[in-house]
Amino acid sequence: GQNIDQPTEMTATEGAIVQINCTYQTSGFNGLFWYQQHAGEAPTFLSYNVLDGLEEKGRFSSFLSRSKGYSYLLLKELQMKDSASYLCAVRPSYNTDKLIFGTGTRLQVFP
Amino acid sequence: EPEVTQTPSHQVTQMGQEVILRCVPISNHLYFYWYRQILGQKVEFLVSFYNNEISEKSEIFDDQFSVERPDGSNFTLKIRSTKLEDSAMYFCASSDSRYNQPQHFGDGTRLSIL
Repeated sequence: GQNIDQPTEMTATEGAIVQINCTYQTSGFNGLFWYQQHAGEAPTFLSYNVLDGLEEKGRFSSFLSRSKGYSYLLLKELQMKDSASYLCAVRPSYNTDKLIFGTGTRLQVFP
Repeated sequence: EPEVTQTPSHQVTQMGQEVILRCVPISNHLYFYWYRQILGQKVEFLVSFYNNEISEKSEIFDDQFSVERPDGSNFTLKIRSTKLEDSAMYFCASSDSRYNQPQHFGDGTRLSIL
């Protein structure tokens, strides 16, 4: 089966750093995506990892370890507008288009 | 920034009726997708579409579902005879490459079956 696990909810304070973890067990692997989804809105692409290591994009960074089936999204200098759900999604094979999503982590940022 | 647009934003339909959800993908994108998200649950893949044909579909995408690209800009999802369990948010997405490129999502159509 295909399984992607994320914590259901997290809270953090404005200005802080938060790390959202994602573990996956899939039949194969050809890339991991992080999306941000505000309530009632579309998922918005944040980052992509296919090789091990850290990808940095402004206040957001994403890390991947393929051997451990593990990724995290790091958000720095948190702002109130970062309150949203963060979705981890895996492409399970090189010959498929589909993304398999986790249930998402709902992040609440408090002042 | 180019975006995927979906209409309507909310559709209310009686069980057993046909419904068509519409999407305009980003103009230079070649790969199109439908996903759905039942309230409180994860986003689920339905179907992918390339070169005017379905390239992959999930178990959810049974004979009641169909997709079409009727012209150069629209991409539609039709549900022939809706069931209560079809109530969900339906997202259209597009990408300009199959590999290593993100899929860009529209704002979704909330489908409510009564």
